[in-house]
Amino acid sequence: SYELTQPPSVSVSPGQTARITCSGDALPKKYAYWYQQKSGQAPMLVIYEDNKRPSGIPERFSGSSSGTMATLTISGAQVEDDADYYCYSADSSGDHRVFGGGTKLTVL
Amino acid sequence: VQLVESGGGLVQPGGSLRLSCAASGFTFSTYWMNWVRQAPGKGLEWVADMNQDGSEKYYVDSVKGRFTISRDNAKNSLYLQINSLRAEDTAVYYCASGSCSGGACSRAPTNWGQGTLVTVSS
Repeated sequence: SYELTQPPSVSVSPGQTARITCSGDALPKKYAYWYQQKSGQAPMLVIYEDNKRPSGIPERFSGSSSGTMATLTISGAQVEDDADYYCYSADSSGDHRVFGGGTKLTVL
Repeated sequence: VQLVESGGGLVQPGGSLRLSCAASGFTFSTYWMNWVRQAPGKGLEWVADMNQDGSEKYYVDSVKGRFTISRDNAKNSLYLQINSLRAEDTAVYYCASGSCSGGACSRAPTNWGQGTLVTVSS
C-alpha cells in the first residue's frame, strides 16, 4: 500500500523557520495537503493543493512541492504553532488516500 | 460549517456499530465526504470517502468488506456501518467534508467534526 513519509519530530525556537517534509512516490502527480492538529482537538487544514492557504490561516504557513517531496514551511514559528502536522495525498491511481505518519513540531 | 458525529461507544470484538455525522451550514449534497480515524496516541488514518451521489466509494484496504460508507442527502447525513469489529479498530472516528471552489470539487478533508470514540474491548 502507498505510504507518505514524514520525520517524527522537528524542533525550532520561536521566530525560526520550521520545515516539515513529506515524501511519496506519487507526489510528482498528486497534490499534497497539510493539517495541523493540536492536543485534544480535531485536525485543521492549513495548506491545500501543494501551496494554497485557506482563509484564516496565517501567512507564515506556506507549502511547496518538488518531485517526490512536499514541504510545509512555517516562517517565524510561534509558540502556538506547537502541534502535530500531517500531510495527505492520493496514491498513483487516485482512488485511495493516505496520511503521512505525522510530525511533532516543538516550538520552544 | 458544522459536522457532528455520533454513535460511538464500547463494543465487543466481532460486534457492529453505525456511526452518523450530521452536517449543517453548507450544501451537503455537493460535497465529497470522508471518514478518518485516529487510534489513541497514533496518527490519522483515512478510512473511506464517497462522492456526492454515492456512486463512488473508496476504502482503506484494512476495512474493505467490514465497513460501509453511505449518505442521505435529504437528511444531510453521512454514515459509517462498521462490522466485525477488532481491537485495532479502536479509535476516534472523524467525519470530514471535501470542498468546492470555482466549479471544481476536491475529495480532501477540509472541514472536520470533533469525532466520536469507538472502543472495541471485551
